[in-house]
Amino acid sequence: GAVVSQHPSWVICKSGTSVKIECRSLDFQATTMFWYRQFPKQSLMLMATSNEGSKATYEQGVEKDKFLINHASLTLSTLTVTSAHPEDSSFYICSAFQGPKQPQHFGDGTRLSIL
Amino acid sequence: GQQLNQSPQSMFIQEGEDVSMNCTSSSIFNTWLWYKQDPGEGPVLLIALYKAGELTSNGRLTAQFGITRKDSFLNISASIPSDVGIYFCAGQPGGTSYGKLTFGQGTILTVHP
Repeated sequence: GAVVSQHPSWVICKSGTSVKIECRSLDFQATTMFWYRQFPKQSLMLMATSNEGSKATYEQGVEKDKFLINHASLTLSTLTVTSAHPEDSSFYICSAFQGPKQPQHFGDGTRLSIL
Repeated sequence: GQQLNQSPQSMFIQEGEDVSMNCTSSSIFNTWLWYKQDPGEGPVLLIALYKAGELTSNGRLTAQFGITRKDSFLNISASIPSDVGIYFCAGQPGGTSYGKLTFGQGTILTVHP
């Protein structure tokens, strides 16, 4: 089945550090990738939609300068949390969308802890 | 943002029992998806539904896409301990929001051996 690889699985870093998370679709081309944030015992909240070759579309309330998204190829999207602070600590998950009549497939998530 | 109304929020059952959970929405969706998430991992697709009225099975799992396109249910038969986890429904609209998913709040399933 479709596989989405997300890296790294977890990150612990100091406040002020920028952190890059990669999302790769391993066996299919994804014209669209999505980035979600999930707090403990809560559902997934969409942060942004990433389309290959164009600027990402951010959901209301998500700071585009804080969460930089790049979708340079049909198999890779990256999320960079810039100047991360403790309140940015969360579980970040990406998904890749193949197209019509195809489901989204999710990566295994990245646990980000900012000290 | 909008969320689907998923119920129940949690279930505690004995191994071997059947489970039923459902999602409702005020909006129409073109696709309904059911995912299972284990702690510390991403959601894993269980069943995808693309047509109103569609009934689809995947092993012990059965899901239906409601006729009104505003609801869906998931049934798990003869539950086993490894069914433990959080189950999410997700609706996918058409039009300009194509591909974007709206998630339910999740159903936490606990199975006692």
